[in-house]
Amino acid sequence: QKEVEQNSGPLSVPEGAIASLNCTYSDRGSQSFFWYRQYSGKSPELIMFIYSNGDKEDGRFTAQLNKASQYVSLLIRDSQPSDSATYLCAVEGKYGNKLVFGAGTILRVKS
Amino acid sequence: DVKVTQSSRYLVKRTGEKVFLECVQDMDHENMFWYRQDPGLGLRLIYFSYDVKMKEKGDIPEGYSVSREKKERFSLILESASTNQTSMYLCASSLPTNGYTFGSGTRLTVV
Repeated sequence: QKEVEQNSGPLSVPEGAIASLNCTYSDRGSQSFFWYRQYSGKSPELIMFIYSNGDKEDGRFTAQLNKASQYVSLLIRDSQPSDSATYLCAVEGKYGNKLVFGAGTILRVKS
Repeated sequence: DVKVTQSSRYLVKRTGEKVFLECVQDMDHENMFWYRQDPGLGLRLIYFSYDVKMKEKGDIPEGYSVSREKKERFSLILESASTNQTSMYLCASSLPTNGYTFGSGTRLTVV
């Protein structure tokens, strides 16, 4: 079992819809969770982080964490073509230094 | 904003050459990391460092070494470049639990 698993996609959604990206992790001791966006040919950029169970909202983005189910998700409301990218889920272990990345989910928003 | 600067955006080197990839961060971060990213394989950790003159192997250290003589600079060395080291190389820095900031990446081609 991989430490961090994501569906590779591509996930295709129409413009204006909600995109839902999911991630599961294996280490129950994980404390911090991050979502990165990576455009083709570019480096990853941090868009959201979450530490506590529940939802965290930032503009059109909502991160959701359920530690009991070892599940973290990212919702993108009112999806735009500019949201088309690969989204990487990353999980930080209990010693707080090193991230483990999922392989990423490709999102395509169609206008 | 934290800035992580990688010295080269694109590099072409010959098989057997010794290759130096430089990374500098400007926010006094303790942690620095080197990853490579390949299609279908995601981000793979090569080496990381939590302090000056300190280094630890990641998941794929073979064929690589690192140097951290100053806190702001973390160098990746390919001792004898091979074609299977053709890849995108990403440097990142962080404070504990804060997630990473990535550099813009170096696309290395070994011919």
